[in-house]
Amino acid sequence: EVQLVESGGGLVQPGGSLRLSCAASGFSVSSNEMNWIRQAPGKGLEWISFISSTGTTIYLADSVKGRFTISRDNAQNSVYLQMNSLRADDTAVYYCARSPARVGTRGWFDPWGQGALVTVSS
Amino acid sequence: QSVLTQPPSVSGAPGQRVTISCSGSSSNIGAGYDVHWYQHLPGTAPKLLIYNNINRPSGVPDRFSGSNSGTSASLAIAGLQAEDEGDYHCQSYDSSLTLAVFGGGTKLTVL
Repeated sequence: EVQLVESGGGLVQPGGSLRLSCAASGFSVSSNEMNWIRQAPGKGLEWISFISSTGTTIYLADSVKGRFTISRDNAQNSVYLQMNSLRADDTAVYYCARSPARVGTRGWFDPWGQGALVTVSS
Repeated sequence: QSVLTQPPSVSGAPGQRVTISCSGSSSNIGAGYDVHWYQHLPGTAPKLLIYNNINRPSGVPDRFSGSNSGTSASLAIAGLQAEDEGDYHCQSYDSSLTLAVFGGGTKLTVL
């Protein structure tokens, strides 16, 4: 079964850091394009980051550029989101998702993980 | 403020048909970029419902159908069932923003 499981969410103070992990099963992240998407409370979904199958192409939304980093570990079959300088408006459920069409962020996302809640508050 | 506009809520009785609209602009849906739909039921991961405007992944019932015209797209759900209750999101690509964009989501209530 193709599946994604996020971990690493939690409560962090403003200005702090957190690293989210996304473990894949049923497929190899090394041959797939992967993304992070978030949903703040009461808001719609927001795509925030993409990494290509080779890892050589990375996109970040302006809202997180300079603060967040996406990476992958093929040996662990996982994708990561390093989040620094966190702000209150980063509070959200963070989902990882695969881009099976391999057309970057122009295609659909499938599957999605169940999400990791990140709360930024003092 | 989401780039794509969806109604906040829709409702219908069991067995009825409902449609959820997704309004965009000339830089996304109107530019010919495909629209995809997701179902997000309480306590579960978002699930792909429709991809490339009209296609259903394996396992998605044919009660769900997608269409688009001009700068808008629609998701139709026929024969409403209680288990359809949840949130529905549309997604496309915006050439001005050069990123994937979503609607604000629509909460479906089965009366």
